Amino acid sequence: QQQVKQSPQSLIVQKGGISIINCAYENTAFDYFPWYQQFPGKGPALLIAIRPDVSEKKEGRFTISFNKSAKQFSLHIMDSQPGDSATYFCAASWSSRLTFGEGTQLTVNP
Amino acid sequence: EADIYQTPRYLVIGTGKKITLECSQTMGHDKMYWYQQDPGMELHLIHYSYGVNSTEKGDLSSESTVSRIRTEHFPLTLESARPSHTSQYLCASSEVATPSGANVLTFGAGSRLTVL
Repeated sequence: QQQVKQSPQSLIVQKGGISIINCAYENTAFDYFPWYQQFPGKGPALLIAIRPDVSEKKEGRFTISFNKSAKQFSLHIMDSQPGDSATYFCAASWSSRLTFGEGTQLTVNP
Repeated sequence: EADIYQTPRYLVIGTGKKITLECSQTMGHDKMYWYQQDPGMELHLIHYSYGVNSTEKGDLSSESTVSRIRTEHFPLTLESARPSHTSQYLCASSEVATPSGANVLTFGAGSRLTVL
């Protein structure tokens, strides 16, 4: 049972554009929603995270928007750069266990 | 830089062989995890441990086994490897961040297993 659904599977953006990745979850017990970034040959690394009592969190060019009633959250990457090209995973946590979305392969063209 | 180490990084082995993937962390984290990552990217939790002598199966059924005899060490073993076990295996450990109380995972670089 897929508890966190992520879209799109792949995304191509021009340099300077906005990248948007969406996730939806089912379990209302989830209490922490991180995004992880993975480069080829590396393990995922925490990028940014949000609690469900906050509707938006911004760190530099990265912003999470959270809609508790719709059970959806999204990652926005402003002014996307070629160095942002990576695989992005949303996740949801409950009781110290993370459930990941399917991943989005982002390519930022120069 | 992450202080969690996985060996080997790459392993090609024949069917029926026993293999052990090593994972060690120097951060003193109590919680450790094994994820299996499909070629199509998706991460599946296969084992986790909340401390020494504590291990649990994850969301994805796996024929592998794990042990947690020391806090810093969480090896994964396959008694008889099969081609269906070909995958990337990622080890992680976590701590509860303050003041958010969030469970933050730190991943190793992964072990890519190919069973012929």
